Amino acid sequence: GQQVMQIPQYQHVQEGEDFTTYCNSSTTLSNIQWYKQRPGGHPVFLIQLVKSGEVKKQKRLTFQFGEAKKNSSLHITATQTTDVGTYFCAGLAGGTSYGKLTFGQGTILTVHP
Amino acid sequence: NAGVTQTPKFRVLKTGQSMTLLCAQDMNHEYMYWYRQDPGMGLRLIHYSVGEGTTAKGEVPDGYNVSRLKKQNFLLGLESAAPSQTSVYFCASSARTPGTQYFGPGTRLLVL
Repeated sequence: GQQVMQIPQYQHVQEGEDFTTYCNSSTTLSNIQWYKQRPGGHPVFLIQLVKSGEVKKQKRLTFQFGEAKKNSSLHITATQTTDVGTYFCAGLAGGTSYGKLTFGQGTILTVHP
Repeated sequence: NAGVTQTPKFRVLKTGQSMTLLCAQDMNHEYMYWYRQDPGMGLRLIHYSVGEGTTAKGEVPDGYNVSRLKKQNFLLGLESAAPSQTSVYFCASSARTPGTQYFGPGTRLLVL
């Protein structure tokens, strides 16, 4: 079945440093979504990418979808302590998938003040 | 709007006991999902529903059953709990596919 691998598993940064997490799928995706989960909380939707090569920005966050629609990345510029949490990518296969997302393992981000 | 709610928030079971987790959404969403979250494994889909009266298996359905008798509710049942089912369970709903999934606060289940 479809697999989505996410690296790194952990990332510790000093406040102000940049952060990137990468997501790779074993199959071509129709779209990819990114979620953030604060410690002790639930996943919250950040963004959805649909087009090949798409780049979207949300303030300090930049999301990219690969040309082959098999990989994606999330980059945070100048991290802040409020960025702490686990970032998940979730891929949606094409066809009749009924919105079934396959989640990556997540990247746990720690930001030291 | 409460969004997606889950009950209970926390539960301890003994091996072999049964229980039902309730998920309710007030957004009139068609699609509902049950996930389990374990350390280092992300979220894995247990079962899902594409509308009232329908259910289907996800990635890890064994040991679980579900029902969606009403559009707003999605129940997850454990007939005979096992320690391997110790996890955090999240319910989610979506208005369309593909679309944003809205997650509930989660249920922490410990099976002894």
